[in-house]
Amino acid sequence: DAGVIQSPRHEVTEMGQEVTLRCKPISGHNSLFWYRQTMMRGLELLIYFNNNVPIDDSGMPEDRFSAKMPNASFSTLKIQPSEPRDSAVYFCASSLGLPDTQYFGPGTRLTVL
Amino acid sequence: GENVEQHPSTLSVQEGDSAVIKCTYSDSASNYFPWYKQELGKRPQLIIDIRSNVGEKKDQRIAVTLNKTAKHFSLHITETQPEDSAVYFCAASISGANSKLTFGKGITLSVRP
Repeated sequence: DAGVIQSPRHEVTEMGQEVTLRCKPISGHNSLFWYRQTMMRGLELLIYFNNNVPIDDSGMPEDRFSAKMPNASFSTLKIQPSEPRDSAVYFCASSLGLPDTQYFGPGTRLTVL
Repeated sequence: GENVEQHPSTLSVQEGDSAVIKCTYSDSASNYFPWYKQELGKRPQLIIDIRSNVGEKKDQRIAVTLNKTAKHFSLHITETQPEDSAVYFCAASISGANSKLTFGKGITLSVRP
């Protein structure tokens, strides 16, 4: 299995631009998580899905952030408009169920200038 | 909601010595406790986990102990090696549908050669 796949691995954009991060979970996993990691705030859970349904989005910082999971093999996290304080590493993770071992993707390093 | 705290925030040990990292949690209903290791620039990876029906679990040089009465659990690493240097995250979760992991802030372990 290829594991959790994220794209792009690095993204540099200018303030105000739209950013879309993509994730493909491990085949057969029912749960998908989006995290943000910074030195100051550590690892923060933004939103998670179970069977493609958003369960808890209380970690989404504001309306500029949105996430979708149109099917079991694909999810997106969108930031519009982006701001410099959104600069972070964004991880996607998946698991067989809840709670269970979460397998993290390699992350997307986002830099907003 | 659940609150997970880790102590200390940094730990330095001599190669070959043992390291103990402690976590406390707030929700007495939590019953799943994983530990993740994150090496510099890489993704978090599960190294060991424990469920509330056992008090201790071992895997080679790593062990986790759980004290449900005191609501704390600890990671024990024996015969530490330089490659054990990393950030270690503990987490806690309630078993059941739609539950999520709550992560601690992480502890940076440095193993001095």
